[in-house]
Amino acid sequence: SQQGEEDPQALSIQEGENATMNCSYKTSINNLQWYRQNSGRGLVHLILIRSNEREKHSGRLRVTLDTSKKSSSLLITASRAADTASYFCATDRMDTGRRALTFGSGTRLQVQP
Amino acid sequence: NAGVTQTPKFQVLKTGQSMTLQCAQDMNHNSMYWYRQDPGMGLRLIYYSASEGTTDKGEVPNGYNVSRLNKREFSLRLESAAPSQTSVYFCASSDKKAGHHTQYFGPGTRLTVL
Repeated sequence: SQQGEEDPQALSIQEGENATMNCSYKTSINNLQWYRQNSGRGLVHLILIRSNEREKHSGRLRVTLDTSKKSSSLLITASRAADTASYFCATDRMDTGRRALTFGSGTRLQVQP
Repeated sequence: NAGVTQTPKFQVLKTGQSMTLQCAQDMNHNSMYWYRQDPGMGLRLIYYSASEGTTDKGEVPNGYNVSRLNKREFSLRLESAAPSQTSVYFCASSDKKAGHHTQYFGPGTRLTVL
C-alpha cells in the first residue's frame, strides 16, 4: 500500500496564488522529502525535512511536518505557470530496514497564466 | 556531468519477449534504484542496490531481475514481458550526505507490452 497519500489529487490555481499540498503517511520516518515531476520527465528533489524539524523554507517553498499527526504540507507561494507539475512526497521510513524512499501518489498542480 | 542516464527512452515489446533496461550514473553514488510508475500513481520500488555488489528486492520485484554491473551501472531485466509490466521505469541514484539520502532520477523509459 502507498505510504504517502497526497491531498488533493489535483489542484488548479491562477498565477500569483499560493498552492498548498498535503501528505499523510503511516509509519515512523527519518525524514520526508518533496519531489517535483514535469510531464514526461524524471523526478527532481525539492526539499527535505528531518523528523525533528517542524518547518523548513527554500525560496518560494515552505514545508511543514507534524510527526504526531503523521502529515506534511508543501506550500508554494506566488505560483508561476512554470510551477505546473506533479508533486510527490516521499518518506524515508524507519520500519523497512532498506535505504529507499516510499512515494505517495502525487498532486497534479496546474497554474493558469 | 550527465547525472543519471537511461536507455532506451521508449520500447514496445510483445508478450513473452525479454529486454534489459540500462541505467548509469556519473555522480559516484553508492546506491541505485529501479522504480515503476503507473498512470496516476506514485513510484513503486522494484529493486535497489545499496552498494556495488549488493541487490535487494523492493515492493514489486516479481517478473524482474537486476544486475549491479559496477558502481556506475544498474540494469533491470524483464525475462518474459507481460502486459501488466507496461509502465514508465525510472532509475535513480543516491548517496548519504548529512545522514540522509536524496535521490537523483533519470528521464525514464516508457515501456509498452502488447
